[in-house]
Amino acid sequence: QLQLQESGPGLVKPSETLSLTCTVSGGSISSSSYYWGWIRQPPGKGLEWIGSIYYSGSTYYNPSLKSRVTISVDTSKNQFSLKLSSVTAADTAVYYCARQDSPSRFDPWGQGTLVTVSS
Amino acid sequence: QSVLTQPPSVSAAPGQKVTISCSGSSSNIGNNYVSWYQQLPGTAPKLLIYENNKRPSGIPDRFSGSKSGTSATLGITGLQTGDEADYYCGTWDSSLSAGDVFGTGTKVTVL
Repeated sequence: QLQLQESGPGLVKPSETLSLTCTVSGGSISSSSYYWGWIRQPPGKGLEWIGSIYYSGSTYYNPSLKSRVTISVDTSKNQFSLKLSSVTAADTAVYYCARQDSPSRFDPWGQGTLVTVSS
Repeated sequence: QSVLTQPPSVSAAPGQKVTISCSGSSSNIGNNYVSWYQQLPGTAPKLLIYENNKRPSGIPDRFSGSKSGTSATLGITGLQTGDEADYYCGTWDSSLSAGDVFGTGTKVTVL
């Protein structure tokens, strides 16, 4: 079955850029039926959608993060990636990637990766 | 903060029923499908309900969803200890700050 796995540094310094990759296995990221999304969850808090990308490269972002977010896709590696610039402690969170069947429908999810912003 | 409001917590005894509300507006729930997610402790969220009331394969029919106007409801019947988790609603918001949005989350406790 389809599986997603996040990877990247677990510690990022303030003002630097957070970079994560989501590797998709058990299916093709180039499927025309899906978007691929990033969602985050600060410790002890709720979920926040970051942005989503289609295999063609079409993206849409959370307006509150748009100025700092870039999501890209590499179909040859079956991966998509997240870059969040100028991070602060408020960006400390578990970051999840997920397949997006339609607006608000994310399934399945990766296991998540904790990223801490600290000097 | 989220544009979708949920009660912080609900509780009931095993075998009983709980309902979780998700309140929004015409720019989100009122004109878009609602999804529901279950997040067991220490794990990633899992899709329970999509398109207001549809269950993905493998989700038991103890879980149900409904929508009326600008609110949605998740129901859990025959409550089990394994249902103790955080539950989130989600939908599309088509306001000026358009995008996918999640509810504030509800902790379900099995007494």
